[in-house]
Amino acid sequence: GAVVSQHPSWVICKSGTSVKIECRSLDFQATTMFWYRQFPKQSLMLMATSNEGSKATYEQGVEKDKFLINHASLTLSTLTVTSAHPEDSSFYICSAANTGTLLNIQYFGAGTRLSVL
Amino acid sequence: GENVEQHPSTLSVQEGDSAVIKCTYSDSASNYFPWYKQELGKRPQLIIDIRSNVGEKKDQRIAVTLNKTAKHFSLHITETQPEDSAVYFCAALTGRDDKIIFGKGTRLHILP
Repeated sequence: GAVVSQHPSWVICKSGTSVKIECRSLDFQATTMFWYRQFPKQSLMLMATSNEGSKATYEQGVEKDKFLINHASLTLSTLTVTSAHPEDSSFYICSAANTGTLLNIQYFGAGTRLSVL
Repeated sequence: GENVEQHPSTLSVQEGDSAVIKCTYSDSASNYFPWYKQELGKRPQLIIDIRSNVGEKKDQRIAVTLNKTAKHFSLHITETQPEDSAVYFCAALTGRDDKIIFGKGTRLHILP
């Protein structure tokens, strides 16, 4: 099946620093990618929809200045957590669908565990 | 906004028995309903999906049913095995903006 690569898998940072997470579709093009946040033993909460070549669409309650999303190409979206604080510690996971098939099947990255000290 | 409700949150079944997880959705324009299995520490994996033009779909021990009138869909796992233990998420694709909205998940335990 389609492969979505997410990097890094785990990052530990000091409070106040910024962290960039990459999401790549390896063998297909994705006009749209999604970023989720998952707390332990909880569901995936959609944070934003990343649109290639345009601004991301953020869900209600998600700070766009805090979570910067860039979708510069059809295979890469990045999420930058700016001025991270301990409450931003979480599991961030991206997903993408193969635009070419129009099947809407979402493939997930392996996730990034962010720990802010 | 769009919402997906999932029940139960935890389910324990004896190995070999069947497990059923139920979901309801709010957006009547939703037309695609995937189910994901997430093992501890791993990414969600698509296990089965159904589109609104069919009422049932089966893949070996897994089946999904959809009732569009009632806006609910269910996952059925028969002859459960230890490796079926995981968290299962239902989801619905919104009709307006193609977002996937997830249910809260069901932690399935298969008892020996």
